[in-house]
Amino acid sequence: GDSVTQMEGPVTLSEEAFLTINCTYTATGYPSLFWYVQYPGEGLQLLLKATKADDKGSNKGFEATYRKETTSFHLEKGSVQVSDSAVYFCALSDENTGNQFYFGTGTSLTVIP
Amino acid sequence: GAVVSQHPSRVICKSGTSVKIECRSLDFQATTMFWYRQFPKQSLMLMATSNEGSKATYEQGVEKDKFLINHASLTLSTLTVTSAHPEDSSFYICSAAHGDVYGYTFGSGTRLTVV
Repeated sequence: GDSVTQMEGPVTLSEEAFLTINCTYTATGYPSLFWYVQYPGEGLQLLLKATKADDKGSNKGFEATYRKETTSFHLEKGSVQVSDSAVYFCALSDENTGNQFYFGTGTSLTVIP
Repeated sequence: GAVVSQHPSRVICKSGTSVKIECRSLDFQATTMFWYRQFPKQSLMLMATSNEGSKATYEQGVEKDKFLINHASLTLSTLTVTSAHPEDSSFYICSAAHGDVYGYTFGSGTRLTVV
């Protein structure tokens, strides 16, 4: 079945450091891939998405590229800020399974000044 | 736009009692809402799909008599955990569909602790 595996946290970085959160997936069809972010006390917000192989999603300085050959969708940001501290969830939606969402376990990021 | 309000954010209840969690779409109509559950250090798992005016569709392994879902209006879905037990303690989160297939908005979640 479909599943998502993402890097376990927590991750602690200094401000302006480079961020990578790894995410790999297993899917029966051709899924769409997402990164969601949850700031403290808030709901999940869509950060970026990619709907087909080689697509790059980007938003707020974050990027992730849909790599079909490695079944990966790693999240990157070149210079993190304190305000990026949150929990990040990788997810997929597969039309073969009725567009149900499958989430990773979430990675907690803390950025220190 | 597209805000989903979930209430309460935290609740502690005694074993054997029932707890109701509300999920409201504030500025849009949601014919479909989803309920997820997250155990510590695990993924969010879809529990059920809630459709306005009809019965919810439960995922395999989810007890429909224990987790009662009501979607009586286009802006409100409720999840009631009946006869709660400590193993029901978890993080519950709802989402509502709007627009295209990628248009999902999530609530802020409810931390349920059963003592």
